[in-house]
Amino acid sequence: QKEVEQNSGPLSVPEGAIASLNCTYSDRGSQSFFWYRQYSGKSPELIMFIYSNGDKEDGRFTAQLNKASQYVSLLIRDSQPSDSATYLCAVGGGYSTLTFGKGTMLLVSP
Amino acid sequence: NAGVTQTPKFQVLKTGQSMTLQCAQDMNHNSMYWYRQDPGMGLRLIYYSASEGTTDKGEVPNGYNVSRLNKREFSLRLESAAPSQTSVYFCASSVDNEQFFGPGTRLTVL
Repeated sequence: QKEVEQNSGPLSVPEGAIASLNCTYSDRGSQSFFWYRQYSGKSPELIMFIYSNGDKEDGRFTAQLNKASQYVSLLIRDSQPSDSATYLCAVGGGYSTLTFGKGTMLLVSP
Repeated sequence: NAGVTQTPKFQVLKTGQSMTLQCAQDMNHNSMYWYRQDPGMGLRLIYYSASEGTTDKGEVPNGYNVSRLNKREFSLRLESAAPSQTSVYFCASSVDNEQFFGPGTRLTVL
């Protein structure tokens, strides 16, 4: 069974800082990786996906993948209080199913 | 477009009662999913439907049944609710590996 591990946090950063969120996964054959953001009481929404080793940037967000180390990370530059949420790492499986980690809570203080 | 809709938003059941959670999507997606989310547990896949007419078990299927009524609708049934099924239930549909989530149903079983 696939496992996805995340530090539950909370991770506290000041406004304007870089927030670094990390995730490890157990299935070496995994090919697709996703980061979702979930505000309290709301449903998850996709921030980024990454399939290849290296970095992928989208605005203030950068996803990093290292398949050899089975490690995925999400960097948020210039963190804003509106970024305060729980960030869910997910690993793709057959039929586009996802295995989620338990999430890391991020708190950005003004 | 409404995206993914779920009914009801809230429900309280007594142990042993049955109910059906409804989910519909208007994005013409082939694949649909049911998840449950418990505090500190992340999202766990209950059942999924890769296409109309097919359903498969996910990580935690015990105590649940599903029906893919047509391409738009995917329902989740609890035949005899138990307190362990108290949770927030999310329905999702997907295209190109991106899953879109409904607003969730908060279910309490007393």
